This record gives sequence, C-alpha cells and structure tokens, in this order.
Amino acid sequence: DIQMTQSPSSLSASVGDRVTITCRASQSISSYLNWYQHKPGKAPKFLIYAASSLQSGVPSRFSGSGSGTDFTLTISSLQPEDFATYYCQQSFSTPYTFGQGTKLEIK
Amino acid sequence: QLQLQESGPGLVKPSETLSLTCSVSGGSINSSGYYGAWVRQPPGKGLEWIGSIYYTGTTNYNPSLKSRVTISVDTSKNQFSLKLSSVTAADTAVYYCARQKVSRGWFDPWGQGTLVTVSS
Repeated sequence: DIQMTQSPSSLSASVGDRVTITCRASQSISSYLNWYQHKPGKAPKFLIYAASSLQSGVPSRFSGSGSGTDFTLTISSLQPEDFATYYCQQSFSTPYTFGQGTKLEIK
Repeated sequence: QLQLQESGPGLVKPSETLSLTCSVSGGSINSSGYYGAWVRQPPGKGLEWIGSIYYTGTTNYNPSLKSRVTISVDTSKNQFSLKLSSVTAADTAVYYCARQKVSRGWFDPWGQGTLVTVSS
C-alpha cells in the first residue's frame, strides 16, 4: 500500500494568514493526488484534484502543487470558514489511501 | 445537484454483519465514468477506503477488508449497499458513501456519514 504522510498534524493560524500543508507519498504517484476539507459532523468537501486543479466552486485562495512524492496545499489568506481538518488522498493505485489529516485551528 | 445519503442500523453486535445503504438523488447511479464508494473513519482516526462499485456491478475492495466486504448496487432504486461481516469493535466508525471518479479516483460528493457502533 502507498503510505501518505501529512505535516504538520495540527496547525494554529490566524485569519488572513497564509498556510501550507505538506503531503508526502511513500512512492511516486505522479499527479494522482487529491485534497479534501472536513468539518466535524459534515460531509468531506472535495477541494483539489490532480495535485493542482481546483474543483469547481472552491475559492481561489486554495491552491495545490507538486508531483511524484511531494505535494502541498496552500491557503493564501485564511478565512474563518477554513478552520477544519484537511486530508490528502492518492488515487494512483488501489487501495486508495489518505493522509492522517492536518487539523487547522484558530490561533 | 447530486446528493448521497447513508442509512442503516447505528448499533451492531460483535460477530454480526453491518449493513448500510447509500441512496442517490439528483442524478442517476448509472453514470458512466463514476463508481459508488464506501469510506470509513474510526473515532479519532483517519479515513479508510473500503471499496467501490461500478453500476455494472464490477467491484474493487480494500485487501485489508476484502474477506469480509460485499458491495452491491441496485440501479432500479438508485442505491448501492455495503455489507461487512464478522464485525468487531475495531469496525466502529463513521461510514461515508461517495461518488468516485473512475479515471482519477477522487471522491465527490460525499454523504453526511453515519456512525455505526459495534457493541453487545
């Protein structure tokens, strides 16, 4: 199985901050990397596919980059509604696997 | 707008079979290029893909659960279902259904999730 490792596991930031979350795959996954936002009690929300393509309707302050084994999710200017847990997911091969999550909290 | 909703018992006894259904509205489950998928999240842990099914009935399961999982589809009801046998406390989790893109493998949209507790 391909292991996905996110860092940091948690992050405290303020509204307006720029934040970056890193996701590393245990082997090359090309650009088969997706990002999700998850708030407690809600359905996960799909943000980015193919490492850097923004899903329709997702604010442009979200961006993704990377290929191979190293990927990043950046939020350029944090808004109050962005405080949540973020997960990366590889879709290069089955079993599809997720990172352990990065919890973004208000400072 | 496509919506998915999980339903089923919230409490299952150890060694019994967990059964959940995902009802799809706002679109057809017979969509070329998409799977129906199940993902779970144990309390305090990350997300785990369980398996996926195409509307033709073709399935793909996580090897870690394959011996206990059955996913089926009922196109007449626009639903797909999960059965997980011989459950233990380790199967306690929030279970989500989602639509999955065949070619790129992302999950969107997701259902709200349903908590299933395994306890006697």
